[in-house]
Amino acid sequence: DQQVKQNSPSLSVQEGRISILNCDYTNSMFDYFLWYKKYPAEGPTFLISISSIKDKNEDGRFTVFLNKSAKHLSLHIVPSQPGDSAVYFCAASDVNRDDKIIFGKGTRLHILP
Amino acid sequence: EAQVTQNPRYLITVTGKKLTVTCSQNMNHEYMSWYRQDPGLGLRQIYYSMNVEVTDKGDVPEGYKVSRKEKRNFPLILESPSPNQTSLYFCASSLTGPSYEQYFGPGTRLTVT
Repeated sequence: DQQVKQNSPSLSVQEGRISILNCDYTNSMFDYFLWYKKYPAEGPTFLISISSIKDKNEDGRFTVFLNKSAKHLSLHIVPSQPGDSAVYFCAASDVNRDDKIIFGKGTRLHILP
Repeated sequence: EAQVTQNPRYLITVTGKKLTVTCSQNMNHEYMSWYRQDPGLGLRQIYYSMNVEVTDKGDVPEGYKVSRKEKRNFPLILESPSPNQTSLYFCASSLTGPSYEQYFGPGTRLTVT
């Protein structure tokens, strides 16, 4: 049973426009959410995170929105740049219960020139 | 330079031949973790460790062992590798747990024939 779902395997966005990557989760006990970015032949790198007590967190061009009632989070990238082409993983943890982390399957973002 | 190193980066082996993939971090992080990445399945946590001598199972621990005798090292042991363990493996570390930014190693591509 997939607890963290990224339903779009890939997404293409024009350079300069907004990229929106979506993530749904099923476990209402998750209290911390993170986004990681991965380039080919490299390990993932941390991008941005959000605690369940917040509904938005911004870091430069990256903003994560959390809708707890819908069990949904999204990553917005504005404006999209060629270097943003990568695979993006959503992840969630329930740190009050244990120290596991569950990742989604990832979304491949292509930024078109 | 803060980093997580893994060795070897590539390994081809045969079924049943015990192997160890080493992982080391130089950031004095308490939390370390192993993941495997498979096409269409994303990143799945194998084992994690909250501190020296403290390890616990992730989502896919079958067929793997780990140990944490020193804070900086967290080797992954495959006692009797099988073809279904052919995968891309990542080691990661973070300050205190999965809700903090994890730093990933470059990956180890393992093929079991």
